[in-house]
Amino acid sequence: DAGVIQSPRHEVTEMGQEVTLRCKPISGHDYLFWYRQTMMRGLELLIYFNNNVPIDDSGMPEDRFSAKMPNASFSTLKIQPSEPRDSAVYFCASSRNYNEQFFGPGTRLTVL
Amino acid sequence: EDKVVQSPLSLVVHEGDTVTLNCSYEVTNFRSLLWYKQEKKAPTFLFMLTSSGIEKKSGRLSSILDKKELFSILNITATQTGDSAVYLCAVGLPNTGNQFYFGTGTSLTVIP
Repeated sequence: DAGVIQSPRHEVTEMGQEVTLRCKPISGHDYLFWYRQTMMRGLELLIYFNNNVPIDDSGMPEDRFSAKMPNASFSTLKIQPSEPRDSAVYFCASSRNYNEQFFGPGTRLTVL
Repeated sequence: EDKVVQSPLSLVVHEGDTVTLNCSYEVTNFRSLLWYKQEKKAPTFLFMLTSSGIEKKSGRLSSILDKKELFSILNITATQTGDSAVYLCAVGLPNTGNQFYFGTGTSLTVIP
């Protein structure tokens, strides 16, 4: 089992640019989560999906952030336009219901 | 307001010491509490606790949950430098599928 796969692992971009982060969950997992981690705020849930449907996006900071899950094996988190305060590590995690979440390796985003 | 509070925020010990990490929470009627270890990468799963008073053990690590007093502890005996990490506690929110609320973590440093 390959685990949760995220790409890219590192992204450096300039303010105002569009950023797209990608995630492939573990096969058979019906929940997918997007988190953001910073030193100041720790691990924050942005949005999560159940069976490809967004359930709770109350953690999404603002309209510049959007997430999609077009099928059970792929999700994207998009930031447009990006700002320096978006710099963080973005984790994707997946799980089966009532079970622990498995995290991907994360994408370290730096917005200059 | 913080739903999950971990203490201490950071801890420095010598190899061989025993440490106790605390996690208290305000969420009631939750299904499970999770402990994760995070080194310089993604969080990795340690324990899932669902019942009060039942200790879970894995090698030198053990954890127990007290649902009445709303806290959990993670014990590490005979600490090693490889135990140095941030330890995260997460509580499953009721009626939210598999959503978990993470604490800010305890940073443990084990000195040789």
